[in-house]
Amino acid sequence: ELKVEQNPLFLSMQEGKNYTIYCNYSTTSDRLYWYRQDPGKSLESLFVLLSNGAVKQEGRLMASLDTKARLSTLHITAAVHDLSATYFCAVDPGTSGSRLTFGEGTQLTVNP
Amino acid sequence: KAGVTQTPRYLIKTRGQQVTLSCSPISGHRSVSWYQQTPGQGLQFLFEYFSETQRNKGNFPGRFSGRQFSNSRSEMNVSTLELGDSALYLCASSLVRGRYEQYFGPGTRLTVT
Repeated sequence: ELKVEQNPLFLSMQEGKNYTIYCNYSTTSDRLYWYRQDPGKSLESLFVLLSNGAVKQEGRLMASLDTKARLSTLHITAAVHDLSATYFCAVDPGTSGSRLTFGEGTQLTVNP
Repeated sequence: KAGVTQTPRYLIKTRGQQVTLSCSPISGHRSVSWYQQTPGQGLQFLFEYFSETQRNKGNFPGRFSGRQFSNSRSEMNVSTLELGDSALYLCASSLVRGRYEQYFGPGTRLTVT
């Protein structure tokens, strides 16, 4: 059974600081997704990573995938308050179709 | 292009009742997946539909069922509701199955009393 673990689960940081969220998964996969969720809202797609070594950047967020280590990272650069949200990684084992297994989520709070 | 739509957005039901939730995917998308989100269990996969056929099913009891229509719209049904079924139900659509981004709808918040 595929397991996806994120850490940390809670992250409080100051504006302007950098930090990394880690996503580990238990079986081979080269399909990893990052989503953002604001309170009471749905999931917003941030990044789609579909190969080993994939790196994608959007604004202050950068995501990477190491399929050999079964690890993805979401790096936050110079955090701003607007980045406060819960971030989920999700893995698709790719055996058939589209079936995402989500991590527990990282609740990020950026303080002024 | 319109996004994924889900109806209703909010629903309150009583234990033992049944409920049907609806999802309209992005135009042209043919794969629809359903997820349940609860504070205790997080986000869990329910099922995936493609070409009117259920292709994958998560670890949920038979009370949870769904279907997909020829226009790719999907419905999910929960019979004999239990308090633990209270959750946010999210529908996601993608172009086809496999290595494609899934776009999520706004969700249906179901409360069972």
